[in-house]
Formats: sequence, C-alpha cells, structure tokens
Amino acid sequence: AQSVAQPEDQVNVAEGNPLTVKCTYSVSGNPYLFWYVQYPNRGLQFLLKYITGDNLVKGSYGFEAEFNKSQTSFHLKKPSALVSDSALYFCAVRALSGGYNKLIFGAGTRLAVHP
Amino acid sequence: GAGVSQTPSNKVTEKGKYVELRCDPISGHTALYWYRQSLGQGPEFLIYFQGTGAADDSGLPNDRFFAVRPEGSVSTLKIQRTERGDSAVYLCASSGWDSGQVYTFGSGTRLTVV
Repeated sequence: AQSVAQPEDQVNVAEGNPLTVKCTYSVSGNPYLFWYVQYPNRGLQFLLKYITGDNLVKGSYGFEAEFNKSQTSFHLKKPSALVSDSALYFCAVRALSGGYNKLIFGAGTRLAVHP
Repeated sequence: GAGVSQTPSNKVTEKGKYVELRCDPISGHTALYWYRQSLGQGPEFLIYFQGTGAADDSGLPNDRFFAVRPEGSVSTLKIQRTERGDSAVYLCASSGWDSGQVYTFGSGTRLTVV
C-alpha cells in the first residue's frame, strides 16, 4: 500500500538551532514528494517538492529537504529555526492509484520552536 | 481567482441535516480535489475531478457523500443525513498544467455536526 509516515507527533527545538522533521514513504514507482505547512485556522501552504533531479531541494522560508531513495525518506530541514516556524508540517507523496494520481498525506508533525 | 476559495468557512448543522460545501478553484485549473481533515490527523483524500467528471471517488466514505463539478470550475461537496462523525475540516485543492505538480489548497470549511 502507498503511504507516508511521519514518526514524530511533535518536534521541539530552540530558536537558532537546526531542525529536522522526518518523513518516510512507500509508493510504487518513482515518487513525487512534497512538504506542506499549516498554520492555525489556515489551509495548507506548499513548502517544497521533489520531482526529479538533485536530491537536495530548497523551498520557501529557508527550508530544504533531502530525497534518499535507498532509505525511502524525505526529511525536512532548516539550518536555523525561528519561532515563527512553529506550525503543523505535512509530508505527502503523489501516488498512482487506479490510474490516477493523488496526494497521500502523513499524519503531520507539530513543530514547536522555543525562544 | 488568485487562490482557491471555499465557502462557508464555518458551518454548524444539526445531526440528520443536509449540507453543501462550495469550492471555487484557481481559474483555469482543470483538476480539483476534496480532502477531509479530522482533528489531529492529516488530510484524507475524498474525490478528484478532472474537468467535469469525477475521475476518482474512491475516498468518499459512504453514499451520503456526493460531489459535483457541472461546468468544470466550481465544485460542491454534498453531505446527506449528516452525522457527528462527519465533523471535520473539508479542504479543497486545485492544480493545472502550470502548477508543476503542486496542489493549491483553500482555507477549508470547518463542519460541525451537533
């Protein structure tokens, strides 16, 4: 079955420290991978994607993610966290199902950045 | 429009009532998706439209849920005989040939069934 796993419900990090939010996936064929962020009472905002090419992709607000095919992972990273990065983060994979593509999301990881 | 618009933003209804949730996608986007997000969970796929037709409705939980997109633009998600378990945020997204595989989401409709 095609799925996304985010093993941490919450990640706590001090402002200025690096952060990592983990994601692993299971999908048939080549994956299209995405990270979205959700602020309270807001919709999902696109952060970055991996479609093909370089395994390290850079996105909005200084975030980056590394595609690792052997480990089927797509961890989200940022070198220096900001308090304003505190939000809910979702990893998603675009999966082929029944001949059509659709995004399958993980359960989400809440990032809390402390001053 | 500039973004995906969903109305209403909040809807409270009584158990057993019928509700309609509206999604107005980005102009020109041919693909439209409905997701449901329950508290503490990730978005769960419901249905996907390509143009006017429902290309994949495998995520609709039961026959009380139905969605239409008659002119290939605005879509309406319809829920009959609502149950308390239907309470969730219903998200709509759209994508098009210029999206680079990215879905743009609306702010959602928070449905509360009392």
